[in-house]
Amino acid sequence: DTAVSQTPKYLVTQMGNDKSIKCEQNLGHDTMYWYKQDSKKFLKIMFSYNNKELIINETVPNRFSPKSPDKAHLNLHINSLELGDSAVYFCASSQEWAAPSFGPGTRLTVT
Amino acid sequence: AQTVTQSQPEMSVQEAETVTLSCTYDTSENNYYLFWYKQPPSRQMILVIRQEAYKQQNATENRFSVNFQKAAKSFSLKISDSQLGDTAMYFCAFMKQNSGTYKYIFGTGTRLKVLA
Repeated sequence: DTAVSQTPKYLVTQMGNDKSIKCEQNLGHDTMYWYKQDSKKFLKIMFSYNNKELIINETVPNRFSPKSPDKAHLNLHINSLELGDSAVYFCASSQEWAAPSFGPGTRLTVT
Repeated sequence: AQTVTQSQPEMSVQEAETVTLSCTYDTSENNYYLFWYKQPPSRQMILVIRQEAYKQQNATENRFSVNFQKAAKSFSLKISDSQLGDTAMYFCAFMKQNSGTYKYIFGTGTRLKVLA
């Protein structure tokens, strides 16, 4: 049983394209997140949703748009991809004070 | 604003030895949680251990234990009897509640290499 799943795990695309990453959790958690891990392994939160409602929106370009169709899903759509968007994107979920459970990550490479 | 600092970018330890990874944080909160995550080359983020700030007793999980010094805002991770499989990036994380939301802040990580 995969707790937090992401698709795809690898994504290679050209500058200017639009792409989406999907995330699903089967843990029944109320809160879901998107994190970006750059080439130096620094992990930074991008968005947080609680019961489909956007709670945290860090300083992220408008080209990034999260969407939560229901409590178990949080997708990330990226418009007009740039070289600097290359990174590993992690989806995570948590419930109250419990530690977040992370998905396997999506390695995005923009050429 | 809360910050989490891991001052050791890289460390190495001989197999079967003990190693301690340091983490300090800055906060004015009194109630919060601290975590250590492990990220092996597979890139999966794995929870190692968790500590509630209101608990004085240090958390332990098998070979992993923490030294939590609340007044000093220090949260170090000790790995005993190091194994090759412990080779990974280790992230310290701070979590607090703010108006019903839970915000996590991660340190920059320590790359640990266990040597055979």
